[in-house]
Amino acid sequence: QSVLTQPPSVSAAPGQKVTISCSGSSSNIGNSYVSWYQQLPGTGPKLLIYDNTKRPSGIPDRFSGSKSGTSATLGITGLQTGDEADYYCETWDSSLSAVVFGGGTKLTVL
Amino acid sequence: EGQLVESGGGLVQPGGSLRLSCVASGFAFSSSSINWVRQAPGKGLEWLSYISDSNSDTIYYAESVKGRFTVSRDNAKNSVYLQMNSLRAEDSGVYYCARVRGPTLLVAYFDYWGQGTLVTVSS
Repeated sequence: QSVLTQPPSVSAAPGQKVTISCSGSSSNIGNSYVSWYQQLPGTGPKLLIYDNTKRPSGIPDRFSGSKSGTSATLGITGLQTGDEADYYCETWDSSLSAVVFGGGTKLTVL
Repeated sequence: EGQLVESGGGLVQPGGSLRLSCVASGFAFSSSSINWVRQAPGKGLEWLSYISDSNSDTIYYAESVKGRFTVSRDNAKNSVYLQMNSLRAEDSGVYYCARVRGPTLLVAYFDYWGQGTLVTVSS
């Protein structure tokens, strides 16, 4: 049972857009920055979004992040088969004094 | 481009111990904080531990490993270690280290990750 709630799976066709939600509370998302990570099959996680909305160098602008209150959203446009991966949101929880991850969302590009 | 390489994983019996290493290159290690994160087979990411930069004056542990795992660092060797004692079957998984960017964990993110090392706890 993760502190941050993500849908287990999402799917869309190539070229389409998808959003992945991450729901938390005032002790985590509501009070901290959110990051998003992509994990391709058999590899370690990769930073996609940090500080709620920023993209590291090399991450295409097809990936975007937003935050409102105690929820955050990752958006991916122009879906490609190479985007098939697990996606995780992450933040700090002040009540737990711990880093918390969402349960992960598996993206399938049909 | 920074790089992290984990090692030290393997098969260990329940109740046993293991020491993982994470060696960094390509960035200013002594001024970087480091996290340990694990992933049980087929499961999601679980944060385990944080050690702050240079003086190691701030250390955090997840409740699931507090009292059993100990994190430390040797800046002269560009290395962070995770000493794992009293291991249980549920500790099995791939263990990653990751560099932490940001002044505190409240505003931090993890930009470099290793490839992971597999720990299997089984008799």
